[in-house]
Amino acid sequence: DAMVIQNPRYQVTQFGKPVTLSCSQTLNHNVMYWYQQKSSQAPKLLFHYYDKDFNNEADTPDNFQSRRPNTSFCFLDIRSPGLGDAAMYLCATSSLLLAGGNEQYFGPGTRLTVT
Amino acid sequence: GQQLNQSPQSMFIQEGEDVSMNCTSSSIFNTWLWYKQDPGEGPVLLIALYKAGELTSNGRLTAQFGITRKDSFLNISASIPSDVGIYFCAGHTGGAQKLVFGQGTRLTINP
Repeated sequence: DAMVIQNPRYQVTQFGKPVTLSCSQTLNHNVMYWYQQKSSQAPKLLFHYYDKDFNNEADTPDNFQSRRPNTSFCFLDIRSPGLGDAAMYLCATSSLLLAGGNEQYFGPGTRLTVT
Repeated sequence: GQQLNQSPQSMFIQEGEDVSMNCTSSSIFNTWLWYKQDPGEGPVLLIALYKAGELTSNGRLTAQFGITRKDSFLNISASIPSDVGIYFCAGHTGGAQKLVFGQGTRLTINP
């Protein structure tokens, strides 16, 4: 019954080695988000897709990219991970087509370790 | 930018006690959301509030949307061990589909 699925749950990558995190959803929501969360902090929005429209946050480093090939899937690409990119990465969805459209539903997250 | 001030930052209580936490802002929000996050997991939506003055319950949890639209509180009654975690408030102002998060309240329960 999982609604927002993230794979893998744990990812280890080497410094500078590109890595891709994936998110899929069964909710058919039109908005998908990627957040970065570091220990004991609130989630920090990196970017979001409103349907196919990409919306980048002003302070998101160029090192972070995203793709949304269809409604159900969204990917986070980190082109050259640095030690400071080690964090939990959270995917979330919401739907502007439904009542309660401001509610965001999160996946379980991917814990990224950079060695 | 918009900020939410969430307090307290941490709470240490005995099992069975009631808990109260709140979020305040200098900005008006049209939606307040409360999330709980367990270690190593994503936040889970507990309660959503859409109208000023609205009081909503979800089991032992009760949350209210402040009349001024600048604050919200979450109460947990008769706490149990599985209530342990970090609770986040989040506000939405309309327009861009983004949430503003509070800093979180870490709840620890002594059995």
